Amino acid sequence: DVVMTQSPVSLPVTLGQPASISCRSSQSLVYSDGNTYLNWLQQRPGQSPRRLIYEISNRDSGVPDRFSGSGSGTDFTLKISRVEAEDVGVYYCMQATHWPITFGQGTRLEIK
Amino acid sequence: EVELVESGGGLVQPGGSLRLSCAVSGITVSSINYVSWVRQAPGKGLEWVSVIYSGGGTKYADSVKGRFTISRDNPKNTLNLQMNSLRAEDTAVYHCVTSAWNDWGQGTLVTVSS
Repeated sequence: DVVMTQSPVSLPVTLGQPASISCRSSQSLVYSDGNTYLNWLQQRPGQSPRRLIYEISNRDSGVPDRFSGSGSGTDFTLKISRVEAEDVGVYYCMQATHWPITFGQGTRLEIK
Repeated sequence: EVELVESGGGLVQPGGSLRLSCAVSGITVSSINYVSWVRQAPGKGLEWVSVIYSGGGTKYADSVKGRFTISRDNPKNTLNLQMNSLRAEDTAVYHCVTSAWNDWGQGTLVTVSS
């Protein structure tokens, strides 16, 4: 199975400051079709997960442009340019290139 | 707009069975590339459980293989998960999710306890 490793596990951030989450996979996430099926999910307290970013860097509809994704191969990053109160929650990277689909352990973002 | 609504969760004793359903609206479930069940134990992360493809093929996580069965009811436009021989470690909120990973149900809680 592909192991997804996120860091940090906990991320205290001051409002208005940037935040960055790293996600590393144990093998390349490039699929045979040339696409990389690496998504970022946000789970706010008490809610179901929501997809923020798909295929490394594509923001979903309605996702603020302060969120951005980057990376390639086995190394990926989610950045928030200026953290707002509504960003509190747990962020997961997940890969849908290889079966079984696997998730990172999550990064809990909190306001300092 | 695609909507997924899970049901069927509850309290069950170890060794018991439960059948979860996921009602899909806004799209024909058989036309979706694949639909998965993903679970989340209390206070824990996300774990993929099972998938059914549009063609009917299925896959399971090793942790549930031989105990869980995923199926689809095309006339009712629903996805099902038959869970047998339940264990305490199966306690979780179970979500159904489409293959784009952008449509999640609200989840249904399964508690396995005596």
